Amino acid sequence: KNEVEQSPQNLTAQEGEFITINCSYSVGISALHWLQQHPGGGIVSLFMLSSGKKKHGRLIATINIQEKHSSLHITASHPRDSAVYICAVRGGANSKLTFGKGITLSVRP
Amino acid sequence: DTEVTQTPKHLVMGMTNKKSLKCEQHMGHRAMYWYKQKAKKPPELMFVYSYEKLSINESVPSRFSPECPNSSLLNLHLHALQPEDSALYLCASSLLAGHTDTQYFGPGTRLTVL
Repeated sequence: KNEVEQSPQNLTAQEGEFITINCSYSVGISALHWLQQHPGGGIVSLFMLSSGKKKHGRLIATINIQEKHSSLHITASHPRDSAVYICAVRGGANSKLTFGKGITLSVRP
Repeated sequence: DTEVTQTPKHLVMGMTNKKSLKCEQHMGHRAMYWYKQKAKKPPELMFVYSYEKLSINESVPSRFSPECPNSSLLNLHLHALQPEDSALYLCASSLLAGHTDTQYFGPGTRLTVL
């Protein structure tokens, strides 16, 4: 069983829709990362969370430590948001990132 | 400057070739990482350098040889690779190797081994 599970596996949305991507993890963590990867491209770090909520532009990330769950919300989605969104968690100090499999998001114009 | 750069963008090599991948950052970060990513899979950690010293080697075959000549530069030397080593190789850096440090990723080098 993966330590990091993401849902849904693939997601298609219409431009302008509100999108939610979920991440659940089964281990104690010190930080959770949301990453974005465009096709054939490198990875962009969107958020790092250890508690609560963060907002950047149209993106909002929340984490519930007790429930071991995080969500990434995209408001007013746009075709340029089409990418793979990866959730990654980190345990204690000096531990490596454990990645989820990623969710492929397609936003249609 | 919040950028990690990697060269080359693409590399095609034969199984007998020797080549190197280069990664550079000028953010003053003291931790640098190499990841390997196969298509439609998440990245897999290969190596971690902390203060220019190798701190983690994830049992990577010796045909991959990392080198950190200074705090801004990270190389990955490749020799006698196999076709299954074809992948996207990602470099990342963070302020320190601590658990709350954001990792900044480079654009990657797409490697094809013939």
